[in-house]
Amino acid sequence: RKEVEQDPGPFNVPEGATVAFNCTYSNSASQSFFWYRQDCRKEPKLLMSVYSSGNEDGRFTAQLNRASQYISLLIRDSKLSDSATYLCVVRPPILTGGGNKLTFGTGTQLKVEL
Amino acid sequence: GAGVSQSPSNKVTEKGKDVELRCDPISGHTALYWYRQSLGQGLEFLIYFQGNSAPDKSGLPSDRFSAERTGGSVSTLTIQRTQQEDSAVYLCASSQFRGQGPTNRNYGYTFGSGTRLTVV
Repeated sequence: RKEVEQDPGPFNVPEGATVAFNCTYSNSASQSFFWYRQDCRKEPKLLMSVYSSGNEDGRFTAQLNRASQYISLLIRDSKLSDSATYLCVVRPPILTGGGNKLTFGTGTQLKVEL
Repeated sequence: GAGVSQSPSNKVTEKGKDVELRCDPISGHTALYWYRQSLGQGLEFLIYFQGNSAPDKSGLPSDRFSAERTGGSVSTLTIQRTQQEDSAVYLCASSQFRGQGPTNRNYGYTFGSGTRLTVV
């Protein structure tokens, strides 16, 4: 089983739609969780951290379900500029020697269309 | 500097040649990471440096790959006797890492724009 699994997509949605991405992780003791965004032929950039209580940043909402080892990202009122690949990222527990190393999912591709 | 700087941005090399890729992290970031990303694939961890600790080399795919970090700042990734399967984008990232323990907050990575390596 992969450490971090995502549906690769692509998700093709009309502008203004709400879209949700899901991600599962295998290590129940994982410490920190993030969503990164990667545009075509560009480096990944941090979109937002994911906290146990859930967190929101404008049109973006991230949620973590530790019991199910599941992370989600919700994008409301999607824009053309949201088109990118969204990477689910997990930090393994420090005590297993993971340190600050992050494990990246392969990403979910989003295409927002007119 | 303001961001993570990598050089060269593109490198085309002949099979069998050695290459060196450079990464200059954000000033003050104690942790530095190398990943690679092949076309259409996810990020593959290569190596991780944290302060003065021994690097985590667990992701290096073969002994042709090595990396150094001098003076806790600039890092060089060296690939000897390059093969076609080494073709990928090599991404460097840096981060802060304050303290240890399960309550430590992770500040996430800042990536450089990468070196696109093509082995012909």
